Amino acid sequence: NAGVTQTPKFRVLKTGQSMTLLCAQDMNHEYMYWYRQDPGMGLRLIHYSVGEGTTAKGEVPDGYNVSRLKKQNFLLGLESAAPSQTSVYFCASSYLGGGSYGYTFGSGTRLTVV
Amino acid sequence: DAKTTQPTSMDCAEGRAANLPCNHSTISGNEYVYWYRQIHSQGPQYIIHGLKNNETNEMASLIITEDRKSSTLILPHATLRDTAVYYCIVRVGSGGSARQLTFGSGTQLTVLP
Repeated sequence: NAGVTQTPKFRVLKTGQSMTLLCAQDMNHEYMYWYRQDPGMGLRLIHYSVGEGTTAKGEVPDGYNVSRLKKQNFLLGLESAAPSQTSVYFCASSYLGGGSYGYTFGSGTRLTVV
Repeated sequence: DAKTTQPTSMDCAEGRAANLPCNHSTISGNEYVYWYRQIHSQGPQYIIHGLKNNETNEMASLIITEDRKSSTLILPHATLRDTAVYYCIVRVGSGGSARQLTFGSGTQLTVLP
């Protein structure tokens, strides 16, 4: 039981390049989330999904797109990376809203945009 | 969701109880108190949550005051591996709607040998 797996773990991009971060969960969770964490700060929600085929904006969605084509996968895309998107990205999943069992987080993707 | 206030940092001696306070004076009747922690460079980890009764699990105990305006997370026998940032979060609990977690700055707990 792997929980939440994020790939890649590290990436360096040049300004203007694009990339996709993959999040996969094997817990049959309905809800999935993408957060970013800048140095010394708490996590901020980028986008989330309440089920296959659905997505919604979080607190800081600009510059990102997401897709949830399969229940177990949640993809985060950067179409044209900017230095301000240098951050650690965490994916999480939860059973429904995560009330009774909490969220399960992945180990993060460390992205640097130069 | 109600806002929370936590101390920026705390120290605790290894083997002693670590008591982490959280103030949530504007909490609503249907909001739960959740605790997560984040060990350096890792994803946050769920610890415990409660509504108004004290709760205990294998990781920690949660004490919520009778007026629910504050709470304390207790790690009964802190170890060096408990050094982490601890987040106190207040939000509506169970239900079908996506109630995303809102993380503040948390408390940096350092367990000293």
